[in-house]
Amino acid sequence: AQKVTQAQTEISVVEKEDVTLDCVYETRDTTYYLFWYKQPPSGELVFLIRRNSFDEQNEISGRYSWNFQKSTSSFNFTITASQVVDSAVYFCALSEAVGSGGYQKVTFGTGTKLQVIP
Amino acid sequence: DVKVTQSSRYLVKRTGEKVFLECVQDMDHENMFWYRQDPGLGLRLIYFSYDVKMKEKGDIPEGYSVSREKKERFSLILESASTNQTSMYLCASSLEEDDYGYTFGSGTRLTVV
Repeated sequence: AQKVTQAQTEISVVEKEDVTLDCVYETRDTTYYLFWYKQPPSGELVFLIRRNSFDEQNEISGRYSWNFQKSTSSFNFTITASQVVDSAVYFCALSEAVGSGGYQKVTFGTGTKLQVIP
Repeated sequence: DVKVTQSSRYLVKRTGEKVFLECVQDMDHENMFWYRQDPGLGLRLIYFSYDVKMKEKGDIPEGYSVSREKKERFSLILESASTNQTSMYLCASSLEEDDYGYTFGSGTRLTVV
């Protein structure tokens, strides 16, 4: 069965510091997708990124960057120069095909609560 | 923008009541999902649907059922609400071939007393 582990339950940083959120996953499949979502205090999860298992290139989007390493089954997320608006719960997720229909099932980690202190 | 609307933001129900949580999406997405979110447990999949009148059990379907009579609407039903079903319920939808992940609703915080 697939599994996603986010060992960091809560992290506090001072504004402008860099912070890395860890994500480790387990799967037997060779084809899968990894995601990060942000859940601000308003409650609605917001999609940040999707990465497929064949694409190990790191991704950068503004202050956000993602480091995907298949060798260690990790998909870590770094926020550079953190801001108060980055305060949220961040979820890592893994998607793989299930059943004969090839449907995608997404398993979420338990989330990391990030607090950025002004 | 795709929008997923959950009918209630907060709901208080009594033990034993039948509870309906409604979810509607407005962008013709094939796939719809119900999750519950609890502290320390993350999001856990209750049921999902990849087509009208189709449903599949997720990881924790016990005590729940679903209905998808129309493509845009996916209802979660608590047959006989219990206090351990007090939780945040999140509905999500996605396209069949989706590069943009799920679109989530704002959630319904259900309290069963």
